[in-house]
Amino acid sequence: DAGITQSPRYKITETGRQVTLMCHQTWSHSYMFWYRQDLGHGLRLIYYSAAADITDKGEVPDGYVVSRSKTENFPLTLESATRSQTSVYFCASRETSAEEQYFGPGTRLTVT
Amino acid sequence: QKEVEQDPGPLSVPEGAIVSLNCTYSNSAFQYFMWYRQYSRKGPELLMYTYSSGNKEDGRFTAQVDKSSKYISLFIRDSQPSDSATYLCAMSAGTGGFKTIFGAGTRLFVKA
Repeated sequence: DAGITQSPRYKITETGRQVTLMCHQTWSHSYMFWYRQDLGHGLRLIYYSAAADITDKGEVPDGYVVSRSKTENFPLTLESATRSQTSVYFCASRETSAEEQYFGPGTRLTVT
Repeated sequence: QKEVEQDPGPLSVPEGAIVSLNCTYSNSAFQYFMWYRQYSRKGPELLMYTYSSGNKEDGRFTAQVDKSSKYISLFIRDSQPSDSATYLCAMSAGTGGFKTIFGAGTRLFVKA
């Protein structure tokens, strides 16, 4: 399917476990982003990537790790999940020369 | 003070009403302005995109930017129950940077 997809859509995990959220886009967009969305905070940028093998921190990167070995994939890993990481996570992408971003459907993560 | 301020609502209007959604911002470098619509449990979808000041119309939607007042608006004419969603404003300075700032979103309910 064309567009941007995320998996899993829902995930429940326990404190201390490692969990990886997947993001895949078919547009060959250079830029990819990970956001978390929480009530009262809106969308906050966790990490972004300008191209394969180029990643950088956003506003709230602590406790998260990203990689981008291929242009189309941008996985987000929570190395040791904490309850404060319970949130809805959105992946987004955009073209290099554009400002508008396109979002995936989100992953709803609950850490117990 | 947040860079982008948006009233979270909720805003409840009858079907057919004209809706006005607004954001204020503090960074005069912002040049690109976007509105996203987010239905419950879905990812944000791009609704309107404008560059610099002025108006842009697309069907029942009009986006307005007043850079002198650092104020942007989204007007929805003849509102429909299907317009019930959260509307997020977003803005960036461009120049290839990654930093897009999102408002917290305004929840809109259109009653049939």
